Amino acid sequence: QSALTQPRSVSGSPGQSVTISCTGTSSDVGGYNYVSWYQQHPGKAPKLMIYDVSARPSGVPDRFSGSKSGNTASLTISGLQAEDEADYYCCSYAGNYILVFGGGTKLTVL
Amino acid sequence: QVQLVQSGAEVKKPGASVKVSCMASGYTFTSYAVHWVRQAPGQRLEWMGWINTGNGDTKCSQKFQGRVTITRDTSASTAYMELTSLRSEDTAVYYCGRKTYGAYWYIDLWGRGTLVTVSS
Repeated sequence: QSALTQPRSVSGSPGQSVTISCTGTSSDVGGYNYVSWYQQHPGKAPKLMIYDVSARPSGVPDRFSGSKSGNTASLTISGLQAEDEADYYCCSYAGNYILVFGGGTKLTVL
Repeated sequence: QVQLVQSGAEVKKPGASVKVSCMASGYTFTSYAVHWVRQAPGQRLEWMGWINTGNGDTKCSQKFQGRVTITRDTSASTAYMELTSLRSEDTAVYYCGRKTYGAYWYIDLWGRGTLVTVSS
């Protein structure tokens, strides 16, 4: 199972919006509405930010939103804040009880 | 407090095995699956496999088949991940995570990670 494709880095200024893409295939992202997104600060464990493409867990700000079109899922962060600077990983169910992660995207808040 | 508590850091020689534990507290252990994910230094998250803590069924990534064994001890509310034939490329932080059973394919609770260093 190949890793999902994410841009290595994105950046934005405080208050702006950024979108991180996650491209897979019809066997994973495109085949199921089970895409999740995780935020990871340096030296910390990942934190669930979005699940089932666009659902937000309790406690996650509504500045974070998710969507999907075909084989590509996206995470949008609006109203960027300094604390949003982190690595972001997408993850998708790939059938047969298997998960696959993306390569990760480093978000820099300028 | 709902949490997953992982065992401490390990240093192993190439060819050896390592067994990492993940103890659940604050919730019913057998009501959730446990997944294992690793992250080599500066690298991406990599899914390794998971265990149905109720019946012990497991599923592992093809990449690790033959080298990884995931088990659990329900009396101790603990899941284990054993990786054999260690090589330098296995140096990584190993995370366990909790997943709700059924069509819920995300990890909502993570352990803090266990650093495994493979070095001669």
